[in-house]
Amino acid sequence: ELKVEQNPLFLSMQEGKNYTIYCNYSTTSDRLYWYRQDPGKSLESLFVLLSNGAVKQEGRLMASLDTKARLSTLHITAAVHDLSATYFCAVDKDKAAGNKLTFGGGTRVLVKP
Amino acid sequence: KAGVTQTPRYLIKTRGQQVTLSCSPISGHRSVSWYQQTPGQGLQFLFEYFSETQRNKGNFPGRFSGRQFSNSRSEMNVSTLELGDSALYLCASSAQTGVLYFGPGTRLTVT
Repeated sequence: ELKVEQNPLFLSMQEGKNYTIYCNYSTTSDRLYWYRQDPGKSLESLFVLLSNGAVKQEGRLMASLDTKARLSTLHITAAVHDLSATYFCAVDKDKAAGNKLTFGGGTRVLVKP
Repeated sequence: KAGVTQTPRYLIKTRGQQVTLSCSPISGHRSVSWYQQTPGQGLQFLFEYFSETQRNKGNFPGRFSGRQFSNSRSEMNVSTLELGDSALYLCASSAQTGVLYFGPGTRLTVT
C-alpha cells in the first residue's frame, strides 16, 4: 500500500528566510504533485513532477523529485506572508491506470512578519 | 475556461438520510475523481470515473457510490449517513494525462 508522509506538519516561517518541506513516499510511482490549500478553499495545483531529477520553479517556490530516494522537496525562498497556506504533496502510483492520488498529511505554513 | 463546479456548496443532513452531490468538470475533461477531506483522515480518494465507467475505487464502504453521465458530469451518493461522513467532498477533473483540477468542494455536515 502506498504511503505518503510529509514533514514538518507545521512550519512557522519568518519573512525573508528560506524553508523546505519534505515529502516521502513508500513505493515507486509515476507522478508527484504539489498542491496549495488556503483555509476554507479548494486545492490549487502548484507543480507536477514526472521524472527523477525533475525541478520546477514558480516564483518563490521550487519543487524537486528524487525517485531513487522516493523524496520530493518544496523549497520556499525568502518567505512572504502570501505564502501562508497548507501545502500537500500527492503521488499517483500508476498513471496508466487512471487518476488516483494518495495525499500526504499536509504542511501548514504560517509566515510571520 | 470555466473551472470545476460543485453543487451544493454546503449541506446539512441528519443521520440515516442520504445525499447526492454533483460535479461539473472542466469542458473537455473526461476524468472525474472524488475525494473526502476530514481533519482526522486528511484527503482520501473515493473513486474515479472516465467515460461513464468507474476506473478506480478507494477504500470506502458501499454506502458511497457514484456515477458519470455522457456529458462527463458526475454525481456521488452517500446513503445511510453517519456522523463520520461529515467532511469536505472535493471533485477533480482531468484531461487524460494531465493535472487534476479541483472544484470548490461541498461541505457536508451530518447531525
